This record gives sequence, structure tokens and C-alpha cells, in this order.
Amino acid sequence: DAKTTQPTSMDCAEGRAANLPCNHSTISGNEYVYWYRQIHSQGPQYIIHGLKNNETNEMASLIITEDRKSSTLILPHATLRDTAVYYCIVRVAKSYNTDKLIFGTGTRLQVFP
Amino acid sequence: NAGVTQTPKFQVLKTGQSMTLQCAQDMNHEYMSWYRQDPGMGLRLIHYSVGAGITDQGEVPNGYNVSRSTTEDFPLRLLSAAPSQTSVYFCASRTRQASYEQYFGPGTRLTVT
Repeated sequence: DAKTTQPTSMDCAEGRAANLPCNHSTISGNEYVYWYRQIHSQGPQYIIHGLKNNETNEMASLIITEDRKSSTLILPHATLRDTAVYYCIVRVAKSYNTDKLIFGTGTRLQVFP
Repeated sequence: NAGVTQTPKFQVLKTGQSMTLQCAQDMNHEYMSWYRQDPGMGLRLIHYSVGAGITDQGEVPNGYNVSRSTTEDFPLRLLSAAPSQTSVYFCASRTRQASYEQYFGPGTRLTVT
């Protein structure tokens, strides 16, 4: 699985868009980009995933560059409840008999009033 | 649905004691996993299971045993607790098809003295 690089921490004002970058320059053609987040003292929560096209759901948007070497998670209107550690993970979507999400240290996003 | 449940929420053990961390899910998910989370290290996979009767090792399996006799339950056993096993433990589950979306439990905070 490819390695990812994320900034250690970021701040965002409430109501503004939060843009969280992730570099994955060694990503392979069959590897997806996943985003999870972990609010303090809770289990991680799935946010979104994508292969090469941009994706959007009710929580966030995922923008993947054309060369797929980096991506950005966008929370369009950050709230205080979005304060969490955000993990960018790259892996093959389906591996029979393996189930391995490799969580790095993530980006700690602080949303302030 | 209760989702993924874990018991206990907190536990203190003395070195050498044994215990079982319980994990259950009511979503009929085939895949279940155990992770540990230590400060500055993200989440690391301990053991996982792709179905009842099938288990395999993750990144850090030493000192832990698992079994999967039913689809719903996936207990994690510490046979002889060591201070190095002080950590927060998360159980997760997912369907076979949706490999991108794992559902995590609330965690068990274990301290070994």
C-alpha cells in the first residue's frame, strides 16, 4: 500500500471551507484514496473514498489530481463538531483475505468560532 | 442497529493478568478487525477475520489471540498482560463488498500496571 503524507495540524474558522491536503506520490493504478476522521475519544469514522474522479457526498468532497499523486478533502462549511484528526489512506480496494487499513498520524483539524 | 459495541470501556490490569475484550456487531458484517491506537502512532492492525472460523494476523499480533465462532462476535484475548499493551483498542467491521467503509466501535481504554 502506498504511503501518504499529511500536514500535522490545520486551523479553520467555523463556516469556512476546510481543505485538507494529502500527498500519495507512489500510489498505484488500482489503489483508492480513503478518508476517515476520528473525533476525540471516539472510533474512526469513514468519510469518503475515490479512485480518480472527484467525489462528493453529504459529508465532504474529494478532489484527486489528474496524476493521482495528491488529493484534497474539502469540508465545505466547517463546524465545531468537525474538529478531529483526519486520516488519508491509500490501498487496493479489494484484497481477498486481507483487511488492512493503514492509518498514519493524520491531520489534526481545529475549527474555531 | 446498535452497530459495533465494545466492552468494557475502561480496564486496568496488573502485569501477567489475562482478560478478554469483547466486540460485537449486529450488521451481519463478514469482516471484523482489531486495532490498537497509541499516541503518535495512528492505528495499527492486530488481528482480523474475514468470516466465522477464519482469522489472520495483522501488523502487531504478538501477545494477542482471537477467535471467530460466530459472525457477530470477535473477542480479543490478552493471555498475559504487559505494560506495552497499554493502549486504546478499537474493533471494526465491514461487509465483504464495501471494503472502503469500516464501522468502528467506541473503543476500550486498557491500562496495564
